[in-house]
This record gives sequence, structure tokens and C-alpha cells, in this order.
Amino acid sequence: SQTIHQWPATLVQPVGSPLSLECTVEGTSNPNLYWYRQAAGRGLQLLFYSVGIGQISSEVPQNLSASRPQDRQFILSSKKLLLSDSGFYLCAWSPSFTNEQFFGPGTRLTVL
Amino acid sequence: AQTVTQSQPEMSVQEAETVTLSCTYDTSESDYYLFWYKQPPSRQMILVIRQEAYKQQNATENRFSVNFQKAAKSFSLKISDSQLGDAAMYFCAYYTGNQFYFGTGTSLTVIP
Repeated sequence: SQTIHQWPATLVQPVGSPLSLECTVEGTSNPNLYWYRQAAGRGLQLLFYSVGIGQISSEVPQNLSASRPQDRQFILSSKKLLLSDSGFYLCAWSPSFTNEQFFGPGTRLTVL
Repeated sequence: AQTVTQSQPEMSVQEAETVTLSCTYDTSESDYYLFWYKQPPSRQMILVIRQEAYKQQNATENRFSVNFQKAAKSFSLKISDSQLGDAAMYFCAYYTGNQFYFGTGTSLTVIP
């Protein structure tokens, strides 16, 4: 069966520090991968999605970036965090041949 | 651009009663999919129900059913015989072209 992992589960970082959130999927190959941000009391905002290694599409211009160094690994990064980057970050995957999306447990990021 | 609107930020229902959550969307596409996801306090996103736009028949999953009105671009979720475990944030989502678009969510409270 397929599983999706995210780490860390929680993170507290100072403004201006770098960020690296990791997402990995097990039990499948060539998944579509997604990063979402959920701000407090708001819906999910799609940040990045990837249909293959090295293929990243950005939905929202900002100080975040994403990379997909391996087929089942998706990384969200920032060189300098802003206060507005605080939120709940969700990674999701979907099989490339269907539209059903499966979510990871999320990372709660607090920028102080 | 595709947008998903959930006009009810909060709803409440008496246990064992029925509640309907509203969702409208805007699209120029003819081929797409619609979803309802549930996010309980654990923050884990759980798929509740899915509807293919080309299907006229409304999807049902046990106590959950949808009223899909394609011409009106409306996709409401009906929860019958509400249970305490149904308390959560509910997100309506639209999928097309490898991308998912989410509404801002409806917080459902179930009153014992």
C-alpha cells in the first residue's frame, strides 16, 4: 500500500532563517506531487506541483521554492523565512493516471 | 481561472439530523472532477466523496451524498444522520489538468 510521509511535524524558526520541508511517498512510482499551505482559518493554497523529476510548476510567486530530486521525494525550501510563511504545510500525491489525491500528515511551521 | 467558493464559513447540525454544505465553482472546462474532503482536528485530510463532471448521477457514499448541478456549477454535500465524528472542516475541491483548487472550507459543528 502507498504511504506519504512529511517531516518535521512541527517547526519553529526565526525570521530570516532557511527552511527545508521534506515529503516522501512509498509504494508507488511516478506520482504527481503537490505542496499546499493552509493559513489559520483559511483554505488550502496550492504552492507547487510536480508531474516528474525536476519538473516543478509554481502557482504563487513568493520566497518559497520546491525541488524534486527523486521520483518520490518533494522538498519545499526557503532561503529566508518571512513571518507570513507561518502556516500548516501539506504535501499530497496522486497517481499519474487518476485524480484522487492523498495527503500527508502536514507540518506546522511557526515563524517568529 | 478556476475558483471554488464555499459561502458558509460555519455550520452546525443536531446529532442524527441532516445538513447540507454548499459549494460553487467557476470554470470554462468541460472535463473535470469535484471532491469533498474532510479535515478533522488531527488536520489529516480525508476524501469524503468524488464526482465526475461527465456523470449525471449524483455520487453517494453511505451517509454522504452530493447534489451536482453542472449548469449551475454547484456541488453541495449532504450529510445524513449526522454523527459526532462528522465534526470537522469540510473542503470542496475542483480538479482539472493535474491541479486541484480548494474552497476556503466550512467548519461543521455537531451538537449532541
